[in-house]
Amino acid sequence: EVQLLESGGGLGQPGGSLRLSCAASGFTFSIYAMSWVRQAPGKGLEWVSTIFGSGGSTYYSDSVKGRFTISRDNSKNTLYLQMNSLRAEDTAVYYCARDQDYYDSSGLVFRAFDPWGQGTLVTVSS
Amino acid sequence: DIQMTQSPSSLSASVGDRVTITCRASQTISTYLNWYQEKPGKGPKLLIYGASNLQSGVPSRFSGSGSGTDFTLTISSLQPGDFGTYYCQQSYSKPWTFGQGTKVEIK
Repeated sequence: EVQLLESGGGLGQPGGSLRLSCAASGFTFSIYAMSWVRQAPGKGLEWVSTIFGSGGSTYYSDSVKGRFTISRDNSKNTLYLQMNSLRAEDTAVYYCARDQDYYDSSGLVFRAFDPWGQGTLVTVSS
Repeated sequence: DIQMTQSPSSLSASVGDRVTITCRASQTISTYLNWYQEKPGKGPKLLIYGASNLQSGVPSRFSGSGSGTDFTLTISSLQPGDFGTYYCQQSYSKPWTFGQGTKVEIK
């Protein structure tokens, strides 16, 4: 069974740091791109960051670029999100998700987040 | 960035009703549109990819349609377990963006 389990959430100080982890199991972790998506309280979903399987390419939303760093350890089947210079607006449930490619009958490839973990809550407050 | 707009923001329907949720993109995204279902305390679940392709294991009462800028998620006969919040998401270009969600309640 494919599973993603996030950890590392908690209370962070404004300007401080937190490191989230996502332990993957049930699939060949190293061949998949992985992403972080967050959901602020009472709000919708916001893509945060993506890293390719090799770890060679990373992408960030403008809201976290320069403050957050996504990384992975394929030997440990674990995805990370280093969160620095935390702001109140970073308060959210953070989900990790696998980037999965799907092919339709005509051979077109579509990418979706599937599956998702259960999330870990990050609260930024003094 | 591509803006995704869903409507309605919430709805209440009875078991057996046909439910339709719409999603509009701020620019054309072909059929690069996914639909997810979120339930309290759980991560979202993929329902539809490529606008109309049903994810394996998802009941056939769910269907998706549309291309370009206008898309629809339809539940043909609402079941008690279909409560939750539904999100569309474009996978045409980064940054990947989501609609604001449609909360579905069972009357």
